[in-house]
Formats: sequence, structure tokens, C-alpha cells
Amino acid sequence: AQTVTQSQPEMSVQEAETVTLSCTYDTSENNYYLFWYKQPPSRQMILVIRQEAYKQQNATENRFSVNFQKAAKSFSLKISDSQLGDTAMYFCAFTNFGNEKLTFGTGTRLTIIP
Amino acid sequence: NAGVMQNPRHLVRRRGQEARLRCSPMKGHSHVYWYRQLPEEGLKFMVYLQKENIIDESGMPKERFSAEFPKEGPSILRIQQVVRGDSAAYFCASSPITGGGGNQPQHFGDGTRLSIL
Repeated sequence: AQTVTQSQPEMSVQEAETVTLSCTYDTSENNYYLFWYKQPPSRQMILVIRQEAYKQQNATENRFSVNFQKAAKSFSLKISDSQLGDTAMYFCAFTNFGNEKLTFGTGTRLTIIP
Repeated sequence: NAGVMQNPRHLVRRRGQEARLRCSPMKGHSHVYWYRQLPEEGLKFMVYLQKENIIDESGMPKERFSAEFPKEGPSILRIQQVVRGDSAAYFCASSPITGGGGNQPQHFGDGTRLSIL
């Protein structure tokens, strides 16, 4: 079974700083997808960024980027120039190619301090 | 374009009652997924459905829980004889084609918060 581990329950940074959230996963599959979802206090689930395992290039979306290390099964999220609106729970998630269901980590609560 | 619509947003039930949670997928989406989020935890997969078919129910409790996605109308997650431990946020997600990842990620609704008195 696949597992996703987020070892940082809580983090806080000053506004405009850069922060990195960690995620590791375990799978025996070669083709899969990884995601970071954001859950603000409103409790919506918002897709932040996704990565295909067969792509070596790290995904980026504006201020958000990932460091995908396939051999190490590591998938960290970097938020640059952090903003107050980035305050939220961040969940790392995994799905096998063709498996459909998402497996989530336990989340990291990120607080951006003004 | 309307996103995934879940209703009600909040649902309060007494122990022993039935809870029905509804999910209308995004237009053009024919795949629906239900997840449960207990307080201070991540989301846990429950069930994956296509129209009139349950594809994967490996995360569903064996008793009291059922799900359907009829040819017409929303997907329904039904919990019979609710207990305090069923209190959680229940999220529905949808996707247009096979492949929870790739170019067709799952889009989530705002969730239904179920509280059991």
C-alpha cells in the first residue's frame, strides 16, 4: 500500500520569506502522480501543483515550485515570497497511474506572520 | 462554470438517524470520489464511482455506509444509524476521465460537515 508522510505538523514564516514543506512517499510503482493541495480556513481543497513521476523537470506554478527526488521518494513544496493568503493546511497527495484514488499525508499547518 | 457542488454544507444528526450527503460533479465529469476528513487529519479515500457503477469501495466501512451515482442526478453518500464517530467533513471530488492524476486531476467540492449529537 502507498503511504504519504508529512513530518512537519506546523510551520510559520514571516511574510515575504521562502518556506519549504516536506513530503515523502512510499510506492513500488514507477508511474504515478504527486500533488500538493491547500486547505485554507474556509476548508476548501485547492490544487496547488502537480507532478508526473515520469517527468524529471520539477513543476512550477508562479510562486510555488516542487523539488521532486524520485530515487529518494521525496516531493517538497517551496513557496517563495510568501503571502498572508498562503496561511492554510497543506496536504501532499499521491495516486498511481490508473488507480484513481488519492492518498493524502496528514498535512502541515502553515502560518504566514505579518 | 460551476464547480463540484456539495449539499448540505452542514448537517446535524442525532445518533441513530440517517445522513444523506449529495454531490453534483462538474459539468462533463463522469467520475466521482468521496473522501472523509476527521478532525485534524488528512483526507481518507472512501469510494470511487462512475455513472451507475461502483469502481472502488475499498475505503468504505463495511456497515452502515453506502454510495451511489445514478444515471440521472447527484451522487449520494448515505450513512445509516449514525454514531458520534461519523462526525467529520465529507468531501466529494470529480474528474472527467480515467486518471486521477495527469492532465485530469480531481476537483473538490467544499465538503459537508457532519455533526452527530
